[in-house]
Amino acid sequence: DAGITQSPRHKVTETGTPVTLRCHQTENHRYMYWYRQDPGHGLRLIHYSYGVKDTDKGEVSDGYSVSRSKTEDFLLTLESATSSQTSVYFCAMGSGGTGNTGELFFGEGSRLTVL
Amino acid sequence: EDQVTQSPEALRLQEGESSSLNCSYTVSGLRGLFWYRQDPGKGPEFLFTLYSAGEEKEKERLKATLTKKESFLHITAPKPEDSATYLCAVQGFSGGYNKLIFGAGTRLAVHP
Repeated sequence: DAGITQSPRHKVTETGTPVTLRCHQTENHRYMYWYRQDPGHGLRLIHYSYGVKDTDKGEVSDGYSVSRSKTEDFLLTLESATSSQTSVYFCAMGSGGTGNTGELFFGEGSRLTVL
Repeated sequence: EDQVTQSPEALRLQEGESSSLNCSYTVSGLRGLFWYRQDPGKGPEFLFTLYSAGEEKEKERLKATLTKKESFLHITAPKPEDSATYLCAVQGFSGGYNKLIFGAGTRLAVHP
């Protein structure tokens, strides 16, 4: 009963290939987020969604796109992976009453290595 | 530009040795300051929200406090299971509800 799951948990790919990471939630939360975590940088927001088909950019959105066709699923796509996108990616959902607070519930992370 | 700096980067304590972690921030109007705990290989876990200077929150051996420029996470008589990375994040009025700025974290190791 994790509430939020990410897949795949680990992936190794080659430069130039497309990659899609999936986030699935069972809590019916409106707000969902994709972050990346790199040593020395902390968590940085890539994109977020405030409803089905409603998304917006975060601070490091270049090279990434997202889609949300259903409340429960939020997909992060790297159209053409680069080595600088090697990172750990975390999905999160808003846990507050309206979901739009800083009290987030995170998934377990997806470790992506781009060779 | 909103910014969060955490110190120290790493802290090693003996079991029972109390200490504090620091989170300094600059933000154009603070909506909220948040503390998270992250265990290795896991996602961050929410601990506390602080909204205004002078506010304090407690949970077991942890107490978070807030001033106009920084927040402290006080750890009283820590145990080995308190070992983790502690993350601080701020939410400012200019960034909107959905944009948290995280610090790089403090890695805490508590030894028996």
